[in-house]
Amino acid sequence: EAGVAQSPRYKIIEKRQSVAFWCNPISGHATLYWYQQILGQGPKLLIQFQNNGVVDDSQLPKDRFSAERLKGVDSTLKIQPAKLEDSAVYLCASSLGGQVFKRETQYFGPGTRLLVL
Amino acid sequence: GNSVTQMEGPVTLSEEAFLTINCTYTATGYLSLFWYVQYPGEGLQLLLKATKADDKGSNKGFEATYRKETTSFHLEKGSVQVSDSAVYFCALTGGYQKVTFGTGTKLQVIP
Repeated sequence: EAGVAQSPRYKIIEKRQSVAFWCNPISGHATLYWYQQILGQGPKLLIQFQNNGVVDDSQLPKDRFSAERLKGVDSTLKIQPAKLEDSAVYLCASSLGGQVFKRETQYFGPGTRLLVL
Repeated sequence: GNSVTQMEGPVTLSEEAFLTINCTYTATGYLSLFWYVQYPGEGLQLLLKATKADDKGSNKGFEATYRKETTSFHLEKGSVQVSDSAVYFCALTGGYQKVTFGTGTKLQVIP
């Protein structure tokens, strides 16, 4: 079974530029998550999708971050414009999402390392 | 809200030593507890999990028991190897599938 795919693996940009990350979850997984992991910290949830709808985006800095999952499969996370403090690893994860209250295991992709100069 | 507290790292052990990484949590309701491992340059991999009180999760020689009375989920391994060097994250999820992670504990095993 193929895992969660992410691209690119690495990205270096200058502040105020834009960047986009792509994620393809495990086939059949309805729930998709984007996390931000700053060096030395645990992952922080940015946004959670159930199919193509947003379940939780309470920690997403909406003035500069946006995410979409238009067809309920793959997803794109965008930062525009980037700031120095956005340097982090952006992790995508997915889970079956069969029931809203089910305590499911999340499976993570390899992440995209972003460096903002 | 929910929170997870892990012991500070880095933890440095000699090969074949006994490992304990402490994890305690603050949360209520029906929980699932997890340990994830992150090798250098890679994403998180699920190491083990427990979905109800007194459950023991185990994998690759690692074990952790969900102790509701002490709100703990400590990770243990009887004999560590150099290949176990990584960052270990304790995490939990309750309703709505939202996962709360600890800050991670770096383990370094020296030959």
